[in-house]
Amino acid sequence: NAGVTQTPKFQVLKTGQSMTLQCAQDMNHEYMSWYRQDPGMGLRLIHYSVGAGITDQGEVPNGYNVSRSTTEDFPLRLLSAAPSQTSVYFCASSYRDGGNTIYFGEGSWLTVV
Amino acid sequence: GENVEQHPSTLSVQEGDSAVIKCTYSDSASNYFPWYKQELGKGPQLIIDIRSNVGEKKDQRIAVTLNKTAKHFSLHITETQPEDSAVYFCAARPAISGGYQKVTFGTGTKLQVIP
Repeated sequence: NAGVTQTPKFQVLKTGQSMTLQCAQDMNHEYMSWYRQDPGMGLRLIHYSVGAGITDQGEVPNGYNVSRSTTEDFPLRLLSAAPSQTSVYFCASSYRDGGNTIYFGEGSWLTVV
Repeated sequence: GENVEQHPSTLSVQEGDSAVIKCTYSDSASNYFPWYKQELGKGPQLIIDIRSNVGEKKDQRIAVTLNKTAKHFSLHITETQPEDSAVYFCAARPAISGGYQKVTFGTGTKLQVIP
């Protein structure tokens, strides 16, 4: 019973490098999203998807790209890493109909130097 | 958009005492208020939620109250135990009328239960 799986758990990047955070869920959830967590700022929505082929911007989308080619996968791409993107990233998923619970992955700790 | 404020940012209590975390929201259209617990090194996990047509909800040692008029809601943990130590997030979401409804999170409260 995997739930929401994120990889990698830890990553150090140099400024200007690009990388992809992987996210997969096995609960057949329609909705998937990416949040970043920073001290004193709670969880902020980066991008979200309501289904395969459909994505939209959240509160803090700049510098990030997403795609949703399958129901299960929702990768987050950092195009050109900046120190301001040092954060903990959480992927999440939920049902579209009747479900309110958001299920989070265990997080990816990213440091940009 | 919605704005959720959460207080206090840190809270220390003796084991066995009660802990209360308070949140306020700004959007009167919000009608669903979940609380998440985040243990160290883990992702947040839903522990209890309340809808706007209910004033209070209990689940064993935790309870949530909602005052729609004042736009505030609170988490109450009684008989605290060391395993209650974690970061707690409140959140608010408007009514689902079709499509994705964004959840707005508070800034979190770090609860420490001292044995």
